[in-house]
Amino acid sequence: DQQVKQNSPSLSVQEGRISILNCDYTNSMFDYFLWYKKYPAEGPTFLISISSIKDKNEDGRFTVFLNKSAKHLSLHIVPSQPGDSAVYFCAASARSNTGKLIFGQGTTLQVKP
Amino acid sequence: EAGVTQFPSHSVIEKGQTVTLRCDPISGHDNLYWYRRVMGKEIKFLLHFVKESKQDESGMPNNRFLAERTGGTYSTLKVQPAELEDSGVYFCASSRDRVEAFFGQGTRLTVV
Repeated sequence: DQQVKQNSPSLSVQEGRISILNCDYTNSMFDYFLWYKKYPAEGPTFLISISSIKDKNEDGRFTVFLNKSAKHLSLHIVPSQPGDSAVYFCAASARSNTGKLIFGQGTTLQVKP
Repeated sequence: EAGVTQFPSHSVIEKGQTVTLRCDPISGHDNLYWYRRVMGKEIKFLLHFVKESKQDESGMPNNRFLAERTGGTYSTLKVQPAELEDSGVYFCASSRDRVEAFFGQGTRLTVV
């Protein structure tokens, strides 16, 4: 049972344009959401997070939006840069729990120069 | 500050052999997690330590997997005996406050 889903395995955008990565979840107990970026042969690197009490969190070129009623979150990257090309994982956590992360399958982003 | 370190980075073993993976968390991080990614699929939780105590083992596949964290510092994950389906990338992560976890580079295990 996949509690966190990233339905797009891959996404290709032109440099300078916006990248939008989507994530859906099913467990209403999740109250904290994170995005990780992963380059080949490296571990996931924390990118940005959002608590369920917010609907938006911004950090530089990265913004995460949370729609609790739809159980949907998205990561916006503006403007996209070739160095952003990586696999992006959405993850969810119930902080009242152990803090373990439930990951989506990942979306491979390619930013073309 | 040193990050999460995992050793070895790669391991190729034959079916039936034993392998031990090691993780050194960030100093001062009481929370240590093991995750696994198989065949390019999602990263799956295996278990969680708080200091030397196992808080959650719900993700451990079976009793061929044994994790320890003696003294609450580094952790080991032993697979004995290894099976073909154990192949994958094993990640260790640590956190101070159970919020943002910092991951190691992973150990790629191949069982042949």
